[in-house]
Amino acid sequence: DAGVIQSPRHEVTEMGQEVTLRCKPISGHNSLFWYRQTMMRGLELLIYFNNNVPIDDSGMPEDRFSAKMPNASFSTLKIQPSEPRDSAVYFCASSYLGQTATNEKLFFGSGTQLSVL
Amino acid sequence: AQSVTQPDIHITVSEGASLELRCNYSYGATPYLFWYVQSPGQGLQLLLKYFSGDTLVQGIKGFEAEFKRSQSSFNLRKPSVHWSDAAEYFCAASGLTDSWGKLQFGAGTQVVVTP
Repeated sequence: DAGVIQSPRHEVTEMGQEVTLRCKPISGHNSLFWYRQTMMRGLELLIYFNNNVPIDDSGMPEDRFSAKMPNASFSTLKIQPSEPRDSAVYFCASSYLGQTATNEKLFFGSGTQLSVL
Repeated sequence: AQSVTQPDIHITVSEGASLELRCNYSYGATPYLFWYVQSPGQGLQLLLKYFSGDTLVQGIKGFEAEFKRSQSSFNLRKPSVHWSDAAEYFCAASGLTDSWGKLQFGAGTQVVVTP
């Protein structure tokens, strides 16, 4: 099992450019989460999907951010246009959410370090 | 408002000494509770979790945590730290009515291990 795969590992872009972050969840998982980590705000949930459907996007900062999950094996987080304050590490995580939580676990990818100049 | 608090931003401990990291939560009802570890440049790895039952939870890498309802705490402990335990540790909680993967994290505690 390769785990949750995120790409790119590092992204440097200029303010105003479009940025797309990618995530491949673990096969068989039905839920996917996007988190952002900054020094100021710590780790915060942006959006999560269950069975490819966005369930809660209340953490998405503003309309410049959008996320999609076209199928069970792929998700994107897009920022357009990007701003310097978007600089952060973006993590994708996946899990299988069943009827009971007891034996379930959230697996995190290694993150994408985004720098907007 | 729901919150998770880690009072200690930074802890330095000698190799072989014991370690305790503090975590307090503020939720309407006892949430699901977790401890994660993050090594530099890496994602987060789950150390242990508490959903219900026994208040002393055993995790990976020799860690354990104790849930205390009266103190709204979920402190992480390790009897004897190894140099490889140097990392950042996050306490997290998830409300019972939320998806349990919808985590609210504390600010983290950076652990430095000295020889």
